[in-house]
This record gives sequence, C-alpha cells and structure tokens, in this order.
Amino acid sequence: KQEVTQIPAALSVPEGENLVLNCSFTDSAIYNLQWFRQDPGKGLTSLLLIQSSQREQTSGRLNASLDKSSGRSTLYIAASQPGDSATYLCAADAGSEKLVFGKGTKLTVNP
Amino acid sequence: GAVVSQHPSWVICKSGTSVKIECRSLDFQATTMFWYRQFPKQSLMLMATSNEGSKATYEQGVEKDKFLINHASLTLSTLTVTSAHPEDSSFYICSARSSHTPGLASNEQFFGPGTRLTVL
Repeated sequence: KQEVTQIPAALSVPEGENLVLNCSFTDSAIYNLQWFRQDPGKGLTSLLLIQSSQREQTSGRLNASLDKSSGRSTLYIAASQPGDSATYLCAADAGSEKLVFGKGTKLTVNP
Repeated sequence: GAVVSQHPSWVICKSGTSVKIECRSLDFQATTMFWYRQFPKQSLMLMATSNEGSKATYEQGVEKDKFLINHASLTLSTLTVTSAHPEDSSFYICSARSSHTPGLASNEQFFGPGTRLTVL
C-alpha cells in the first residue's frame, strides 16, 4: 500500500529565502508525482507534474525533482514571497489513476 | 487550461437530509472523475472513482449506499450524501481527467475548488 509522507509539517521562513519541501513515498512503482498548492478553505492548484520517466520539472520559481529509486521528491521554491504562503501537497499516482496524498507542508513566508 | 467547477461551494443542512454536489469539467471531456474527502488538517482521501456511463468504484470503507455517485455525461459527475449526519461534515473535492484531450496529459487530474459540507 502506497504511503506518502511530507516533512516538515510546517515551515516558516523570511521573505526572499530559498526553501525545499520534502515528499517521500513507500512504493517506487509510481506513474507520476504531482505537487499542489492549497490555500485555506480552497481547492487544489496543480503546480508541477513529474512523469515517472522524468527527473524534474520547472515552472517559474518552482522546481520539483523526482528520484523513484529512493522514493523521494522535493519541491524547491526560489526567492520566496508572502504570496507563496499556503499548504503544499504532494501526491503519488499509485496506478489506476489513484492519487495518494501526503498530509502537506504548511508554509508561511513572513514579510 | 483545464477547469473543473463544483457547486455548491458550501452547504449547511440538517441531519437526516440528503445533499447533492455537482462536479463539472468546463473545457474538456472528463472520461474519469474522482471524489475526495478532506477532514480538517488531514490529507485528501479518495472516496470513489467514476467512469462515464458506468458504476463508480468505491474505496474500502466508503459506503456506496450513503455516497451515491452518478457520472451520466462526460462533463458532469454528482455526489449525493444521503441521510447526512454530523460526522459527514467535511470538505469534498472532485477531480477529473481526460484520456483524449490534446494538450492535456492523460494521467493528470484537475481539481475543483471543493464543497464545504456542514451537517447540523
């Protein structure tokens, strides 16, 4: 059974800092891994999708990497801004299009 | 882009009543739709998977007679919470994927904004 863990559960950083969010999964046989952003009381915004054959994806200040062999993915946020404050979720596609989510990392970027 | 909407965005109902939540894919045809539930400070948990025109597949522990799912068209799926009770209060989120829309990855899910259900 696929399990996804995100560390840390919460992170507070000053504006402008570069930061890394971590995601680990127990079953390396994944189809893809997605990173999402969730604002309080809102739905999910897809940030990056990494296919199983890819090592990383980049979008603006965001870069996500995937290492299937070690069961890890990281989300790198460069030059963080207060508007980046949200909960970041990673989800592994466990096959049959079933996404298994981590509990998320709540990020606070302080001005 | 691929936009998914949900209606209503929030609903408050009395215990024992039924509530219907709609999930629509606005600019693509969704061959598969998913329903998730999220309790406060918890992760999203998949409830069921539905394919257009066929019965939904429910995850272990989810009562199919309580959470009725209908995926009658390629753009609409509905979740009906029957005889709702306070423990059903949660944030319900749907997602949709398309297997044949140019420009969309066939294994990517697009999420709706969620529906906050409060049962009194």
